[in-house]
Amino acid sequence: QQQVKQSPQSLIVQKGGIPIINCAYENTAFDYFPWYQQFPGKGPALLIAIRPDVSEKKEGRFTISFNKSAKQFSLHIMDSQPGDSATYFCAASGRFGGNTGKLIFGQGTTLQVKP
Amino acid sequence: EPEVTQTPSHQVTQMGQEVILRCVPISNHLYFYWYRQILGQKVEFLVSFYNNEISEKSEIFDDQFSVERPDGSNFTLKIRSTKLEDSAMYFCASSYRVNQPQHFGDGTRLSIL
Repeated sequence: QQQVKQSPQSLIVQKGGIPIINCAYENTAFDYFPWYQQFPGKGPALLIAIRPDVSEKKEGRFTISFNKSAKQFSLHIMDSQPGDSATYFCAASGRFGGNTGKLIFGQGTTLQVKP
Repeated sequence: EPEVTQTPSHQVTQMGQEVILRCVPISNHLYFYWYRQILGQKVEFLVSFYNNEISEKSEIFDDQFSVERPDGSNFTLKIRSTKLEDSAMYFCASSYRVNQPQHFGDGTRLSIL
């Protein structure tokens, strides 16, 4: 199954809060899990990515938690700011079907951070 | 920082006409992709391209679609006879290696009338 399921669809938090976005996958052949941030009228911008050999990765205020046995991964945004208001997509790719690197995207989460 | 550039930013075309969307990937990247995003929906894979040939294509990428790397810098997506349902944002992406960071352009908004 080449699907990635993302939740919630939308999220509203106050400034300083910690929004958490969750993704789940079926195919254990996935081995690369990036998160992208997209502002209106712009392309997806890579935020942070993780591979299944680590359970957590931090870059600045963004943290990915990865649970290989549950086939789930999540994005946490620490000390969220109004400028973080955007749509966030999880994605996955893997070494199958010719190993082309195609990304399978989740449905996206629209985050609003209120001042 | 190097970036992927796409032109035009917006293309309006009559149904049945041919369109060519253009991309300049990051210069040392070897793997090239096109994705599509219908308004309000998720990003969908269309095609991957490596070593001057298509390496994978999705069900969306039918005979009306083609890709080309005509020279060392450009990567194009052609839709031969556009349909109303081709209206979407089209994103080009590139990466240095497979399953390494893919960098996206800002897209071409294609509107079919």
